[in-house]
Amino acid sequence: DAGVIQSPRHEVTEMGQEVTLRCKPISGHNSLFWYRQTMMRGLELLIYFNNNVPIDDSGMPEDRFSAKMPNASFSTLKIQPSEPRDSAVYFCASSWTSRNIQYFGAGTRLSVL
Amino acid sequence: GNSVTQMEGPVTLSEEAFLTINCTYTATGYPSLFWYVQYPGEGLQLLLKATKADDKGSNKGFEATYRKETTSFHLEKGSVQVSDSAVYFCALSDLTQGGSEKLVFGKGMKLTVNP
Repeated sequence: DAGVIQSPRHEVTEMGQEVTLRCKPISGHNSLFWYRQTMMRGLELLIYFNNNVPIDDSGMPEDRFSAKMPNASFSTLKIQPSEPRDSAVYFCASSWTSRNIQYFGAGTRLSVL
Repeated sequence: GNSVTQMEGPVTLSEEAFLTINCTYTATGYPSLFWYVQYPGEGLQLLLKATKADDKGSNKGFEATYRKETTSFHLEKGSVQVSDSAVYFCALSDLTQGGSEKLVFGKGMKLTVNP
């Protein structure tokens, strides 16, 4: 099993640019989570999908952030326009709904200049 | 909603020292409890879990017991190694809309073990 795959591993962009982060969950998992990790705020849940449907997006900071899950094997998190305060490590995780162990990807380190 | 409070550190120990990381929780119902570990440059990975009161989770020499009477899930290891240097997160399960579960994480505690 390849685990949860995130791309890119590192992203450096300028303020105002659009950023798209990608995630491939573990095959057979039907829940997918996007997290943001910063020194100041720790690990924050941004949005959660179950069977490709967004269930809880209360953690999405503002309208600049959007997430999609067009099928069971792919999800994106988009920031448009990006701002320096969006700089963080973004993690994707997946799990079976009936089991609550989440498996994390290696993360995308985003730097917005 | 459910919440977790854990020691934040950072903590530095010498190899073979005893480790305790405190974690307490606030929850309605009977959540499952977890410890996750994050090694440098990696994502979080499950270290151990417990699903009901008095359960003990254990892995890699680490242990934690689900204590309902004190609402705690403290992580312990009798003799730490340099390779245990990482950030440790306590977490519990919480119900989302629709009845599925999500995890609520503590802020994490960075442990450094020196030889």
